[in-house]
Amino acid sequence: AQSVAQPEDQVNVAEGNPLTVKCTYSVSGNPYLFWYVQYPNRGLQFLLKYITGDNLVKGSYGFEAEFNKSQTSFHLKKPSALVSDSALYFCAVRDDRGSTLGRLYFGRGTQLTVWP
Amino acid sequence: DSGVTQTPKHLITATGQRVTLRCSPRSGDLSVYWYQQSLDQGLQFLIQYYNGEERAKGNILERFSAQQFPDLHSELNLSSLELGDSALYFCASSVGGGGLAGETQYFGPGTRLLVL
Repeated sequence: AQSVAQPEDQVNVAEGNPLTVKCTYSVSGNPYLFWYVQYPNRGLQFLLKYITGDNLVKGSYGFEAEFNKSQTSFHLKKPSALVSDSALYFCAVRDDRGSTLGRLYFGRGTQLTVWP
Repeated sequence: DSGVTQTPKHLITATGQRVTLRCSPRSGDLSVYWYQQSLDQGLQFLIQYYNGEERAKGNILERFSAQQFPDLHSELNLSSLELGDSALYFCASSVGGGGLAGETQYFGPGTRLLVL
C-alpha cells in the first residue's frame, strides 16, 4: 500500500540556520514524490518534485530535496532558513502504476517555525 | 496564485443540509481532483475526474458526489451533512489524467465548511 510518513510534527530552527523536514514513503512501483507548502488560510503551493534522474531536486524559494531510494526517503532542505519559511509542509507520493494512478498520498504535515 | 479557483471560500450550514462546492481548473488542465483536509484524517483524496469522466475514487462517502461539466469545472455535492464533515475541501487540477510521469497537481485555495 502507498503511504507517506513525516516523523516530526514540528521543526523549529533559527533564521539563517539550515533546515530539514523529513519524509519517508512506501509505494508498490516507482515513486513520484512531491513537496507542498501551506500558509495559514491558503491552499497548498507546489514546491518541487522528484520523477527520475538526479537525486537532488531544486525547487521554489531556495528549497531542495534529496531522494534516497535505499532509505525510501525524500527529505526537504534549505541551506539558510527565513522567518517567512514558517508554514506547514506536506510530503506526497504518487505511484506509477495500478488503479490509484494519479492519486496523491499525503503525509500528516510538519509545522516549520523559523524564529528570528 | 495557482490558477485554480474555488467558491465559496467559507460555508456555514446545519446538520442534515446539502451544499455544493465549485472548482474551476487551470486553463488547459483536464483533470480535477477533490481532497478533504481535517485535523483527524489529514489530507485525503476523495475523487478524480478527467475530461468529464470519473477516473478514480478514494475515501468518498456515499453522501458525497461530484461531477465535471463540459467546460471542465467541477462541483462537489455534500448531502445529509454531519458535524464530522466540517473540514477544508481542496480542489486540484492537472493537465492529464494522472498517469504522466511529470504531472503536477495544482491546488486551489480551498473551501472551509463548518457544519453546526
